[in-house]
Amino acid sequence: NAGVTQTPKFRILKIGQSMTLQCTQDMNHNYMYWYRQDPGMGLKLIYYSVGAGITDKGEVPNGYNVSRSTTEDFPLRLELAAPSQTSVYFCASGLGREKLFFGSGTQLSVL
Amino acid sequence: AQRVTQPEKLLSVFKGAPVELKCNYSYSGSPELFWYVQYSRQRLQLLLRHISRESIKGFTADLNKGETSFHLKKPFAQEEDSAMYYCALIQGAQKLVFGQGTRLTINP
Repeated sequence: NAGVTQTPKFRILKIGQSMTLQCTQDMNHNYMYWYRQDPGMGLKLIYYSVGAGITDKGEVPNGYNVSRSTTEDFPLRLELAAPSQTSVYFCASGLGREKLFFGSGTQLSVL
Repeated sequence: AQRVTQPEKLLSVFKGAPVELKCNYSYSGSPELFWYVQYSRQRLQLLLRHISRESIKGFTADLNKGETSFHLKKPFAQEEDSAMYYCALIQGAQKLVFGQGTRLTINP
């Protein structure tokens, strides 16, 4: 039972490049979330999903896109990377909202 | 807007001393509040939720609606309590929003 798996763990992007952060969970959770954590700050919600085919914006969705074609996967797409997107990204899943299981994070630098 | 505020970014106490990590919230309704913890080199994980009225690893948190607070307390700190602590609030139907976090350091 792997839980929530995020790839890659680290990535450096150039301004204007695009990439997809992968997130997969094997717990059959309906709820999945993407958060970003800037240095010295709390976690901010980017996007979330309550089930396959359903996604919604969080607090800071600009510059990101998501899809949820399966229960297991919830990739986060960055189009036209900007330095402001340098952050640590966390994916999480849960049966409901109350108890979330987090991935180990992806550290992204945009230079 | 519904939000969670943790006024202390850093908190340092000595082993055996009482610990209180502060959390204040703004919410129009009955809030659902949580404490999450991230130990060094580990993933963020749920510590406790107010609705359960539980004590986990010696920590308790009481919801005070009058003061809109949900402070996390432990009477005697242990070195293994050193971690990053986040207060969180359910916002709307599905979203869990977090405070800025408090880094707790327990000195020997």
